[in-house]
Amino acid sequence: AQKITQTQPGMFVQEKEAVTLDCTYDTSDPSYGLFWYKQPSSGEMIFLIYQGSYDQQNATEGRYSLNFQKARKSANLVISASQLGDSAMYFCAMRGAVTGGFKTIFGAGTRLFVKA
Amino acid sequence: NAGVMQNPRHLVRRRGQEARLRCSPMKGHSHVYWYRQLPEEGLKFMVYLQKENIIDESGMPKERFSAEFPKEGPSILRIQQVVRGDSAAYFCASSSGTDLNYGYTFGSGTRLTVV
Repeated sequence: AQKITQTQPGMFVQEKEAVTLDCTYDTSDPSYGLFWYKQPSSGEMIFLIYQGSYDQQNATEGRYSLNFQKARKSANLVISASQLGDSAMYFCAMRGAVTGGFKTIFGAGTRLFVKA
Repeated sequence: NAGVMQNPRHLVRRRGQEARLRCSPMKGHSHVYWYRQLPEEGLKFMVYLQKENIIDESGMPKERFSAEFPKEGPSILRIQQVVRGDSAAYFCASSSGTDLNYGYTFGSGTRLTVV
């Protein structure tokens, strides 16, 4: 079975500082993809970043980077230079190639509050 | 290049009525996924469809819920005889393929309230 765990229900960060949102996963698939999505208060889901299990380098997209530690089965999201607009829910997600089928599973989310 | 279009944005139904949620995928996307989000929770997979086919409905409740993606027109998620517990946000996502690196494009969701 596949599982995504986000252990931080809420996080606070000072504006302009970096913050790490934790995500651990469990899968028996040899090949899988890891994703992070942002959900602001308006409710839409915004794709942020993708990491493939066989990628040699950690993914980066602007101020977002994914700290991928395969042996630990963790895929933490790092947001550098936080902005007030980063306040939102953040979801870690995973899709496996075999047992996962074609669906993506999501963690429970972490609510990030950026303080001015 | 419109994204994933969901309508209505908000839907209020009385207990026992039917709810029909519509989703038009992004242009060029033939894979549609429906998810449900209860308040303060993550998204739960419901069903995966391609044109005229249900590929995976392992997350769909056995009764009252159905989904389709006809050859022409949007995908429809149908909930019959709604109950209070069906109140949630329902998200549709689409993708152009099933490879692992195909991220989803989500619609803005339909907020269903059952009164």
